Amino acid sequence: QKEVEQNSGPLSVPEGAIASLNCTYSDRGSQSFFWYRQYSGKSPELIMFIYSNGDKEDGRFTAQLNKASQYVSLLIRDSQPSDSATYLCAVDSSGSARQLTFGSGTQLTVLP
Amino acid sequence: DADVTQTPRNRITKTGKRIMLECSQTKGHDRMYWYRQDPGLGLRLIYYSFDVKDINKGEISDGYSVSRQAQAKFSLSLESAIPNQTALYFCATSHPRSGVPPSSYNEQFFGPGTRLTVL
Repeated sequence: QKEVEQNSGPLSVPEGAIASLNCTYSDRGSQSFFWYRQYSGKSPELIMFIYSNGDKEDGRFTAQLNKASQYVSLLIRDSQPSDSATYLCAVDSSGSARQLTFGSGTQLTVLP
Repeated sequence: DADVTQTPRNRITKTGKRIMLECSQTKGHDRMYWYRQDPGLGLRLIYYSFDVKDINKGEISDGYSVSRQAQAKFSLSLESAIPNQTALYFCATSHPRSGVPPSSYNEQFFGPGTRLTVL
């Protein structure tokens, strides 16, 4: 059973701080890694994907990937109350179908 | 985003009833997926389809069936609903992208969800 584990949370940070969300995965053949944001009662929305080791930055978001450690993270700089949501880590499988396996999510609250 | 639509958005039914959830997309994507989401368990894959003639079981297909009527339509059926099928159901689509690693086509786009309650 391929697994994706996220820090369980909930996580609270003050407005303007850096929020750090972590994810580990078990499938060494995984090639692509995704972060989705999900507001309560809404559908998941893709905010970042990464497939090379290192950092990938997009605005206030930075995804970090370390395949040797099977670890992917998401940093949110200058956190805003509107960032309060559940963040889902998703990892593709090593099989030919390359399905996504999702973590259970980390609930983030940014306090004004 | 109206590119992936799901009907109905909410449904309350009774144990033993047959239920169909429908998904339509205007993205022109080949691949379609059905997931269910339960509190604390993330998204779990029920079925997926890579084209009209291709249907594949996911992690939790027992008690469900699907039909891919056209490239744009993918339906999920519960033949005899039971209370532990109460959940939020999402349809998703994806499509291969050129110029990036092969697996990047798993960038998936989700519909708004159907909240199903089985009494």
